[in-house]
Amino acid sequence: QVQLQESGPGLMKTAETLSLTCSVSDGSISSYYWSWIRQPPGKGLEWIGDIYYSGIIHYNASLKSRVTISLDTSKKQFSLRLSFVTAADTAVYYCARGVEQWLVGRNQYNWFDPWGQGTLVTVSS
Amino acid sequence: DIEMTQSPSSLSASVGDRVTITCRASRSISSYLNWYQQKPGKAPNLLIYAASSLQSEVPSRFSGSGSGTDFTLTISNLQPEDFATYYCQQSYITPRTFGQGTKLEIK
Repeated sequence: QVQLQESGPGLMKTAETLSLTCSVSDGSISSYYWSWIRQPPGKGLEWIGDIYYSGIIHYNASLKSRVTISLDTSKKQFSLRLSFVTAADTAVYYCARGVEQWLVGRNQYNWFDPWGQGTLVTVSS
Repeated sequence: DIEMTQSPSSLSASVGDRVTITCRASRSISSYLNWYQQKPGKAPNLLIYAASSLQSEVPSRFSGSGSGTDFTLTISNLQPEDFATYYCQQSYITPRTFGQGTKLEIK
């Protein structure tokens, strides 16, 4: 069963660049897309972006100028870089697998499953 | 962007109750709607995809319905482990957006 594990710094300073990596174990990295989602403490979920095995990338426009997502198929890892962080970027960052599937008699749908356990990133001045 | 609005924001119920959570999209998303359950300190877990399809190993007391702009998640015969926060998410277009969450608490 595929498992995802985030890794990266827990504490950062304002204006630094956040780098997170998600390692994919026990599963194929092809035929899916790979996503980053974050959740500020006590708040809801915000999608950051996806990268497809094909190399297609989608970013949330609200973060697009600061975000880069990349995929290393040989290492079965994908990464997030977020530049010029501020306190507003303090959050639990999750990686997730995006599944696209044709359902019988229906269209192609997509969802996030599974998710990594999440890693808390705190930005302070 | 498609805005997702859940109601209620919080809900108190008892073990054995039947509860319904509503999610409304700011425009039609057909059946491109997923539901997740999140327990404190844990990652969200997929319950329902494509509005009404039950994810593998999710108990059958969970069900989803709706299409277009209005969707519901129903939990029948609430169990102690169901008290959590629930999120809807539209997968129709990017940016992929989530509802603000509904916290289900024990009465």
